[in-house]
Amino acid sequence: DQQVKQNSPSLSVQEGRISILNCDYTNSMFDYFLWYKKYPAEGPTFLISISSIKDKNEDGRFTVFLNKSAKHLSLHIVPSQPGDSAVYFCAAFNAGNMLTFGGGTRLMVKP
Amino acid sequence: NAGVTQTPKFRILKIGQSMTLQCTQDMNHNYMYWYRQDPGMGLKLIYYSVGAGITDKGEVPNGYNVSRSTTEDFPLRLELAAPSQTSVYFCASSYDGSGTQYFGPGTRLLVL
Repeated sequence: DQQVKQNSPSLSVQEGRISILNCDYTNSMFDYFLWYKKYPAEGPTFLISISSIKDKNEDGRFTVFLNKSAKHLSLHIVPSQPGDSAVYFCAAFNAGNMLTFGGGTRLMVKP
Repeated sequence: NAGVTQTPKFRILKIGQSMTLQCTQDMNHNYMYWYRQDPGMGLKLIYYSVGAGITDKGEVPNGYNVSRSTTEDFPLRLELAAPSQTSVYFCASSYDGSGTQYFGPGTRLLVL
């Protein structure tokens, strides 16, 4: 039973355009959500997060939106750059000290 | 700061062999974690530790053991390797037990 799902395994976007990565969750006890970015042969690195009491958090080119009623979050990257090409993992956290990860979306930004 | 380091980078094991995956962090973090990532899947938590001497099971602990004798080190032990343990293993640490974790580069394990 996957509690965090990323339904798009891959996404291709032109450089300079917007990339939108989506994530759905089922557990209403999650109170904190994060996005991690992963390059090949490296470990994931933290990108951006959002608390369940907010609906938007912005950090430079990256914005995360949270829709609690729909149990949905999305990551927007504007403008997309070739260096953004990576696998992006959505993750959810509750007070039980455990992160639950989605399956990841591979983003390819074409020059 | 080296952050989180893992050794080895890659290993091939025969079925039934044992090995220890090493993980060290130099950030003085209390919380440490072991994950596995199977192809096309997200990371799944194997074990975690909230401090030296304290460990607990995650989502997929069967076939693995851990110990935490120091703040810096959190080794993962495979006693009887099975093909189902073929995976990429990531160690991570966190200062405050929040979702913001720092990951090592991973160990790729192949069990044949």
